[in-house]
Amino acid sequence: EDQVTQSPEALRLQEGESSSLNCSYTVSGLRGLFWYRQDPGKGPEFLFTLYSAGEEKEKERLKATLTKKESFLHITAPKPEDSATYLCAVRGGNTPLVFGKGTRLSVIA
Amino acid sequence: SAVISQKPSRDICQRGTSLTIQCQVDSQVTMMFWYRQQPGQSLTLIATANQGSEATYESGFVIDKFPISRPNLTFSTLTVSNMSPEDSSIYLCSVDDAGSQYEQYFGPGTRLTVT
Repeated sequence: EDQVTQSPEALRLQEGESSSLNCSYTVSGLRGLFWYRQDPGKGPEFLFTLYSAGEEKEKERLKATLTKKESFLHITAPKPEDSATYLCAVRGGNTPLVFGKGTRLSVIA
Repeated sequence: SAVISQKPSRDICQRGTSLTIQCQVDSQVTMMFWYRQQPGQSLTLIATANQGSEATYESGFVIDKFPISRPNLTFSTLTVSNMSPEDSSIYLCSVDDAGSQYEQYFGPGTRLTVT
């Protein structure tokens, strides 16, 4: 059974204080690992897809990396507008997306 | 990426009634998905809807409670039947993006409160 575990559950940062979010996963036949951002009361917003170990993707202050067992979402010099819940999900074989519970990020000015 | 809209954006309903949620996509897609997100929780897949076939439901979800229609390649509906307060959730429509391998995109969600 595909599983995704995200840590920490919540993270509070000062503006400019870089950090990383972790996503550990087990999946049979990884088709992709996905990161989403979700603001309160809204649907998840797609950020990145990673397909194979060693792959990295960047978007503004965010950088996602992937190994065979986990993915990290690095946030460099965050701003208050980066505050959101970040969701990790995996897709394996012919199965649909399986989501983790998310990390609630708060960036304080 | 596909642009997805949902109606209604939110509703407050009495227990025992039913609500139908609409999902419209701006391009033709093969697979559409319906998710539930209960307060403070992550997303749980309710069912997968392919055009021209019966929806496939995940464990714990049944057609009598959550009937789904998929009349064409750009539209789907999810009905929440005989509602109880436990059905209060955000309901999300999602689609596979044909141009991006295995990526899924989400609609804005429907926030349902059952009193």
